[in-house]
Amino acid sequence: NAGVTQTPKFQVLKTGQSMTLQCAQDMNHEYMSWYRQDPGMGLRLIHYSVGAGITDQGEVPNGYNVSRSTTEDFPLRLLSAAPSQTSVYFCASRRDPVGSYEQYFGPGTRLTVT
Amino acid sequence: AQKVTQAQTEISVVEKEDVTLDCVYETRDTTYYLFWYKQPPSGELVFLIRRNSFDEQNEISGRYSWNFQKSTSSFNFTITASQVVDSAVYFCALSEVGGGAQKLVFGQGTRLTINP
Repeated sequence: NAGVTQTPKFQVLKTGQSMTLQCAQDMNHEYMSWYRQDPGMGLRLIHYSVGAGITDQGEVPNGYNVSRSTTEDFPLRLLSAAPSQTSVYFCASRRDPVGSYEQYFGPGTRLTVT
Repeated sequence: AQKVTQAQTEISVVEKEDVTLDCVYETRDTTYYLFWYKQPPSGELVFLIRRNSFDEQNEISGRYSWNFQKSTSSFNFTITASQVVDSAVYFCALSEVGGGAQKLVFGQGTRLTINP
């Protein structure tokens, strides 16, 4: 049982490049989400999904796309990277879509956009 | 709207001291959940505790204890006899159940440094 896995661990992009951050979980959790962590701002929700085929926007969705074709995978796409997207990105999953249970977080991806 | 405030940005204490991390929250819901997470220097987020809004009993787990008071909208975290391994950033978070249930709102975090 690997929990929540994320790849890559580190990434450097040039402004305008695109890339996909991968996230997978093996706990059969319905709910998955992406957060970004910036100094002094805690974690902010980017997008979330309550099940395969269902996604919605969080607090800071601009510049990011997601899809959920399977229960296990929830990739985050940056279409045209900007320096403001330099951050640490965490993927998380939770067994229920309602919000009563804790979320389990992946190890994070540190992204730098130059 | 949901909001979590951790007013203490950084705390530094000497090993074996007790330390309390404050968390104040705002919500209009009557049913909600509160959480504490630990982020050690290695960067991962570790779940510590979950408390629902109907359970105001204090919780103790080893050297850790949590004091939930609905009257003051606070969910404070105390470490007794702190150790160097407790050094981390600690986050308090709030999840409403219902229309806003999809969002886990975090405080800004408190960086705790335990000095030997």
